[in-house]
Amino acid sequence: GAGVSQTPSNKVTEKGKYVELRCDPISGHTALYWYRQSLGQGPEFLIYFQGTGAADDSGLPNDRFFAVRPEGSVSTLKIQRTERGDSAVYLCASSPGTAYSPLHFGNGTRLTVT
Amino acid sequence: GQQVMQIPQYQHVQEGEDFTTYCNSSTTLSNIQWYKQRPGGHPVFLIQLVKSGEVKKQKRLTFQFGEAKKNSSLHITATQTTDVGTYFCAEPTQGGSEKLVFGKGMKLTVNP
Repeated sequence: GAGVSQTPSNKVTEKGKYVELRCDPISGHTALYWYRQSLGQGPEFLIYFQGTGAADDSGLPNDRFFAVRPEGSVSTLKIQRTERGDSAVYLCASSPGTAYSPLHFGNGTRLTVT
Repeated sequence: GQQVMQIPQYQHVQEGEDFTTYCNSSTTLSNIQWYKQRPGGHPVFLIQLVKSGEVKKQKRLTFQFGEAKKNSSLHITATQTTDVGTYFCAEPTQGGSEKLVFGKGMKLTVNP
């Protein structure tokens, strides 16, 4: 596709449930990022993939959060036992993976935990 | 830890006015990037600065990287309603990771 695609665009779930958020990056982009953005805040880094491997997962808040990118393209962010504090917009971005490459963001998934 | 400070956090201007917003880092940077997020939208890349003292222009927007590569500024001339949105600066972390750390942003509103 022309840009980064994220699905679903909105997700409402109950506290304690499991959710998966999907990101389809720009074709050929080797780097993929997940960020979380709360209202009035800047994007908060979660994890970054270079190819299939997580190059930096230092932003994952706890072990309820996990992300995979098994074939080096599509990525899934998985959140177990969701809490109300997980409510935010989850942004995915991709880049060509070369040094200083700008990020191309998707439209995000708005997650609401009730 | 690494922090990106943006000032001011909010800016309300009359259409046609000029203004400047600043981004300050606690470390010397290899580069800095600026993004714009329209209300309800996602961040969109604007510019990247790499060299000390570098100045880049995009129409009415002028971006500058400090001589010491620890700060950056964005100056908008003759603000228009289309400039409305939140402007973020983002800097890479130390230690070789390609992770970008974003500031809290500067939210611009324009009175027509």
